[in-house]
Order: sequence, then C-alpha cells, then structure tokens
Amino acid sequence: TQLLEQSPQFLSIQEGENLTVYCNSSSVFSSLQWYRQEPGEGPVLLVTVVTGGEVKKLKRLTFQFGDARKDSSLHITAAQPGDTGLYLCADPNGSGNTGKLIFGQGTTLQVKP
Amino acid sequence: NAGVTQTPKFQVLKTGQSMTLQCAQDMNHNSMYWYRQDPGMGLRLIYYSASEGTTDKGEVPNGYNVSRLNKREFSLRLESAAPSQTSVYFCASNLSGWNSGNTIYFGEGSWLTVV
Repeated sequence: TQLLEQSPQFLSIQEGENLTVYCNSSSVFSSLQWYRQEPGEGPVLLVTVVTGGEVKKLKRLTFQFGDARKDSSLHITAAQPGDTGLYLCADPNGSGNTGKLIFGQGTTLQVKP
Repeated sequence: NAGVTQTPKFQVLKTGQSMTLQCAQDMNHNSMYWYRQDPGMGLRLIYYSASEGTTDKGEVPNGYNVSRLNKREFSLRLESAAPSQTSVYFCASNLSGWNSGNTIYFGEGSWLTVV
C-alpha cells in the first residue's frame, strides 16, 4: 500500500495570505486527487491530476502534479475564511482498480478574518 | 437529490454494546465504502463493496462487519464496541472501480463515542 505524506499538518494564516500544502509519496502515483472537508461534512473532490507536470486551476486554487508523479502541491492565493477546512490528498489507485481510495493524513487550514 | 445518507448522525455506546450504522445512496452506484476518520490519521478504509453481493476488507476491518443489503444500502456493524472504535465514520459510493471521471461521494458522517 502506498503511503501519502502531507505537510504541513496544521496551518493558521490571516485572510489574504498565500499558502502551499504538499503531498508526497515514495512511489509513483498513477493519478492523484485533492479533497476539501469542511467541519461536520464529508470530503468533497476538488480535482484529479493525471499527467506528470500537470497544472490545474480552480479559482484561487492551483494544483500541480510533479514531473515524476511522486508529489503534488496545492497553492491557495489570497486565502479567504471560506477556505478553512481539512485538505486531503488521495491515491485512487492505492489498491488496484477498485476505487479504493488511500488518503493522506490531511492538512488542517484555518484562515482568520 | 439526497446522494449518500448515513444514520445515525451521533451515537454514544457503552463498551460491549452493539450497533449498526446505516448507509444508503440514490445514485445507482455499484461500489460502496466505509471509512473511519481519526485526528491526524486521515480516512482509513474499513470495508468496501465493489458491487452488490460482494464485500471485502480494507485497511482496518477488525471489530467490524458489513452487509451489502441491496444495491442502495451498505451497513456497518460493531458487534462489541470498544473505546478504540470512537471515531467519525463515513460512508461513500462511486459508480464502480476507478477511471478519470469516476468521482467518489461521501456522506456527512456519523460521530460514534464508545465509553
């Protein structure tokens, strides 16, 4: 089973600041997903990256997949309080073709007004 | 559109008691999953059902049993609850297997405390 390491574990910033969170593995990802989980709710898929070097943007969020497909980053520009939540990366191929997602431990982000 | 619905939302159990968490999806998905979420651990897969009539163990199956009652419903049972099973439980579903367009949908979670 592939292990996903996320960093940092916790991040508390002021509104308007930029931030980057990371997801790393010792193995190569076939693809990688990023989820956001708000308090009291289940995770919601933000993006899937598939190709090494791929960059995807979702409003103020920029997702990058490493060239070697062993790491990924999520960059948030001008963070808003509404960005507060738990950000999880996941490997949908962690255990074969079953959609059996393997998750990292998550980065908890707090954006203060 | 309800999506994935879990019940109960909150439950307190005494050590040794049993209970069943219910999950239903209305998206005609083939695959369903039970995860638990603990602080600093992300989500860990307990059991999954790739299709109606099949179930398989995930990363942390000990102390749990599951039943895929029909295509819509997938229940998780704790036969003799232990404090280590205090957690937030999430049910999820997706169409089947994995491909680039196959999104997994999560329920809102069930908060279980075992005292």
